[in-house]
Amino acid sequence: DGGITQSPKYLFRKEGQNVTLSCEQNLNHDAMYWYRQDPGQGLRLIYYSQIVNDFQKGDIAEGYSVSREKKESFPLTVTSAQKNPTAFYLCASTQTGGSYEQYFGPGTRLTVT
Amino acid sequence: EDQVTQSPEALRLQEGESSSLNCSYTVSGLRGLFWYRQDPGKGPEFLFTLYSAGEEKEKERLKATLTKKESFLHITAPKPEDSATYLCAAFTYGQNFVFGPGTRLSVLP
Repeated sequence: DGGITQSPKYLFRKEGQNVTLSCEQNLNHDAMYWYRQDPGQGLRLIYYSQIVNDFQKGDIAEGYSVSREKKESFPLTVTSAQKNPTAFYLCASTQTGGSYEQYFGPGTRLTVT
Repeated sequence: EDQVTQSPEALRLQEGESSSLNCSYTVSGLRGLFWYRQDPGKGPEFLFTLYSAGEEKEKERLKATLTKKESFLHITAPKPEDSATYLCAAFTYGQNFVFGPGTRLSVLP
């Protein structure tokens, strides 16, 4: 089955620790995205990448980092510099140059205490 | 600044009671308007893409329409399983998706 996988589904960390969220897609999509979702708010863009080895900051990139070494993978690191990291994180991908339909993974719920 | 708003914030319907959800957008250049369904604790599920004013798309009890300033998601004779949060997003020529906050729909049996 083609799709986007995110792991783990739930993640718990202590304040001050960095944590990396995994995102893998087998849709052969060029572009990948990371969003953050907080209760009652829309999705906010953290980072996106339209091609391997290139990525751009979104609206709320501070305290986060990404890499895009392979087309299929776009991991997100939540660093200790992120002031309020507890949230639901969603990864998505899009095939550029076509319909631009964006498909999402199941999400990772991160809780930092 | 690109912006997408949705109304109402929450909507409660009786089973079979048709209604519409609104998505208003102000963006510099619209390439497409997307609708998603999101169940609690899950990722959004793609429903429709609309590309030009006047376009309509249907899927089961849902129909999406698009004008130059807004989009509507019409729900005909909803069932309890239609309960979810419905998100809309504007895809711009700047290659960005701008999401609205969503409408939380509850359909009571």
